[in-house]
Amino acid sequence: QKEVEQDPGPLSVPEGAIVSLNCTYSNSAFQYFMWYRQYSRKGPELLMYTYSSGNKEDGRFTAQVDKSSKYISLFIRDSQPSDSATYLCAMSLPGSARQLTFGSGTQLTVLP
Amino acid sequence: GAVVSQHPSWVICKSGTSVKIECRSLDFQATTMFWYRQFPKQSLMLMATSNEGSKATYEQGVEKDKFLINHASLTLSTLTVTSAHPEDSSFYICSARTINRGPGNTIYFGEGSWLTVV
Repeated sequence: QKEVEQDPGPLSVPEGAIVSLNCTYSNSAFQYFMWYRQYSRKGPELLMYTYSSGNKEDGRFTAQVDKSSKYISLFIRDSQPSDSATYLCAMSLPGSARQLTFGSGTQLTVLP
Repeated sequence: GAVVSQHPSWVICKSGTSVKIECRSLDFQATTMFWYRQFPKQSLMLMATSNEGSKATYEQGVEKDKFLINHASLTLSTLTVTSAHPEDSSFYICSARTINRGPGNTIYFGEGSWLTVV
């Protein structure tokens, strides 16, 4: 079993739809949770950063962390074609190294 | 967000030659940089963790003599693929961990470097 599980998709939605992306994980010691967006042939771009449980909102993006269920989500409201990319969840343990453990990524296409 | 620059973005080299990829943190100091490898439609695979002024820590299965990592300053780390072979062709991405910036030492990624070995 992988430490972080993420449905690879692909996921196609119409423009304006609400998108829900999810990851589950097995290591309860993870404390930091991140979502990255990666366009084709580009490096990942940090979208959201959350510490421990709770919700965080930034514009059209909302990140949720439920540590009791070991489940994190990213919601995208009013999705746009420019949101089409691969979305990677990542998490890390507390401590100085802060190496990231990634999900496999979900490929999202928003159709105009 | 913080800016991490990688160079070159694209490189084609002949089998048996060595290739150096640079990773620079442009507007912050990074005591720790990470090197990843990514195959098409797959997630990032951590190769090594690089700490400024010390030897890199390699992940299991990554040949340290083949993938030489140097982190000589707080803003620069280099990855040298030695005696490259076609199976080394991949997308190599670096990331840098900020200190004293952003929400709790965030990690930012470079744009990646495409290596093709022919």
